[in-house]
Amino acid sequence: ELKVEQNPLFLSMQEGKNYTIYCNYSTTSDRLYWYRQDPGKSLESLFVLLSNGAVKQEGRLMASLDTKARLSTLHITAAVHDLSATYFCAVVLSLGETSGSRLTFGEGTQLTVNP
Amino acid sequence: EPEVTQTPSHQVTQMGQEVILRCVPISNHLYFYWYRQILGQKVEFLVSFYNNEISEKSEIFDDQFSVERPDGSNFTLKIRSTKLEDSAMYFCATAGLGRLYFTDTQYFGPGTRLTVL
Repeated sequence: ELKVEQNPLFLSMQEGKNYTIYCNYSTTSDRLYWYRQDPGKSLESLFVLLSNGAVKQEGRLMASLDTKARLSTLHITAAVHDLSATYFCAVVLSLGETSGSRLTFGEGTQLTVNP
Repeated sequence: EPEVTQTPSHQVTQMGQEVILRCVPISNHLYFYWYRQILGQKVEFLVSFYNNEISEKSEIFDDQFSVERPDGSNFTLKIRSTKLEDSAMYFCATAGLGRLYFTDTQYFGPGTRLTVL
């Protein structure tokens, strides 16, 4: 069974600071996604990481993937209040077929950026 | 920008009643999913649907649940006899066919909040 663990689960940080959210998963995966969820809202796709060493950046967020360590990181640079949200990583099992595309989510990291 | 839509946004029902949650996928997407999120918890997979049949389902998706695409556009989730523990936010997600024959990123709808009393 695929397990996905995030840490920390809660993160309170000040504006301007840097921090990293970690996502570990238990079995080989083809793809890893990062989603953002604002309170009471849906999930917004941020990044998809497809291969070992993949790095993607958008604004103050940068995601990376190490498939050997089964680890992805979401790095926040110079945080601003608008980044306050819950961030989920989600993993797809390596089934190699289009039917094997269920997302298994981590518990989420609730990020609060304080002025 | 195309988006997934869901109706209703909030459904309140009595225990034992049937509910149907509706989703309109992005128009050229072929893969459809339902997930649920109990308040304060993580998002859980329920079922995936492709080519007019279920391709995968989780242990949550028991005989009380069913999905269909009745008219080629809407994608529905039916819960036959709701229980208190079915109270959750239900998200529809859809995906196209990406590179290397894998499904593309799943795009989520705004969700339906189901409250069972």
